[in-house]
Amino acid sequence: NAGVTQTPKFQVLKTGQSMTLQCAQDMNHNSMYWYRQDPGMGLRLIYYSASEGTTDKGEVPNGYNVSRLNKREFSLRLESAAPSQTSVYFCASSDTPGTSGGWVDTQYFGPGTRLTVL
Amino acid sequence: GDSVTQMEGPVTLSEEAFLTINCTYTATGYPSLFWYVQYPGEGLQLLLKATKADDKGSNKGFEATYRKETTSFHLEKGSVQVSDSAVYFCALRGGGDDKIIFGKGTRLHILP
Repeated sequence: NAGVTQTPKFQVLKTGQSMTLQCAQDMNHNSMYWYRQDPGMGLRLIYYSASEGTTDKGEVPNGYNVSRLNKREFSLRLESAAPSQTSVYFCASSDTPGTSGGWVDTQYFGPGTRLTVL
Repeated sequence: GDSVTQMEGPVTLSEEAFLTINCTYTATGYPSLFWYVQYPGEGLQLLLKATKADDKGSNKGFEATYRKETTSFHLEKGSVQVSDSAVYFCALRGGGDDKIIFGKGTRLHILP
């Protein structure tokens, strides 16, 4: 049981290049999330997907697109990378609140992708 | 909108000291409250949670009590260890909402 996996772990891009960050979870969770973490800013939500086939903007969506490929996978795409997108990116997943007992609505995080845009 | 405010760090303590990290929140209704911890080089993981007023969440010697009257969820531990060095995030989820709102995090350094 791997939990939430992310690839790649590290990436360096030049301004204007594109790339896709991959995320997969094996916990059969309905909800998935993409965050960025910057010094002094905490975690900010970029996009989330409450269920397969749906996506919604979070706090900082500009410059990003997402795809919920299936229930397991949720990818984040940078079409034209900018230095302001240098950050650590985390994917997370959770059960839909109210659908299970125990630690319902806990978010489980991947190990992160450290992205540098030059 | 909903928000979380936690004390700024870094916080530096000696081993076996008492720890308090303050957290207050603003939310409509009755949110669930969380503390997450991030160890160096890793993603966040849930430390404890509370879902209603006066609930106490606890795990690994850490505790936090949901205080609706003061809109607070302060994290405490009686005797910290070097291995507790990490970044701690207070967070909330509003009722009926899929999203969790995180505070900015507090970095904790424990000296041997």
